[in-house]
Amino acid sequence: NAGVTQTPKFRVLKTGQSMTLLCAQDMNHEYMYWYRQDPGMGLRLIHYSVGEGTTAKGEVPDGYNVSRLKKQNFLLGLESAAPSQTSVYFCASRVVRSVEQFFGPGTRLTVL
Amino acid sequence: EDQVTQSPEALRLQEGESSSLNCSYTVSGLRGLFWYRQDPGKGPEFLFTLYSAGEEKEKERLKATLTKKESFLHITAPKPEDSATYLCAVQDGRSSGYALNFGKGTSLLVTP
Repeated sequence: NAGVTQTPKFRVLKTGQSMTLLCAQDMNHEYMYWYRQDPGMGLRLIHYSVGEGTTAKGEVPDGYNVSRLKKQNFLLGLESAAPSQTSVYFCASRVVRSVEQFFGPGTRLTVL
Repeated sequence: EDQVTQSPEALRLQEGESSSLNCSYTVSGLRGLFWYRQDPGKGPEFLFTLYSAGEEKEKERLKATLTKKESFLHITAPKPEDSATYLCAVQDGRSSGYALNFGKGTSLLVTP
């Protein structure tokens, strides 16, 4: 049981490049979330999903897109990366009947 | 306006020196207040959930309490391995997809 895993762990992009971050969970959780964490700021919600095939915007969705084609995977896409998207990205998941969110280890992204 | 404010930003303790971390919140319809621990380079790890004023929870050297406006994380006789960033988060009636609203965290360093 690996819990929540994130791929890749580190990535450096140039401005304008695109990439996809993958979050996978093997706990059969319905809810999945993408947060970003920046120095001096709390974790902020980017997008979330309450089930397979559904997604919704969070607090800071601009510049990002998401997809949840399979229940166990939640993808975060950057179509045209900007330096302001340099951050550490965390994925989290939870089951409907529990409030506890389980976090992945994070992806550190640098946009030059 | 911040909904969750943590203080102090950083705290340095000697091993065995007990202290408390504060989390004040301004939300309507609190569904839950959460404490997480985050080690450098890792994702947040769940510690406690508190639901109503007067509630207390304990885990080893940690004890979390909740009032109508704030929560405290008391650390009794800390050890160096308690060094980490402690995050407070709330879930209220407006939380998107039951997502969490995080404070900026308190960085705790316990020296031998």
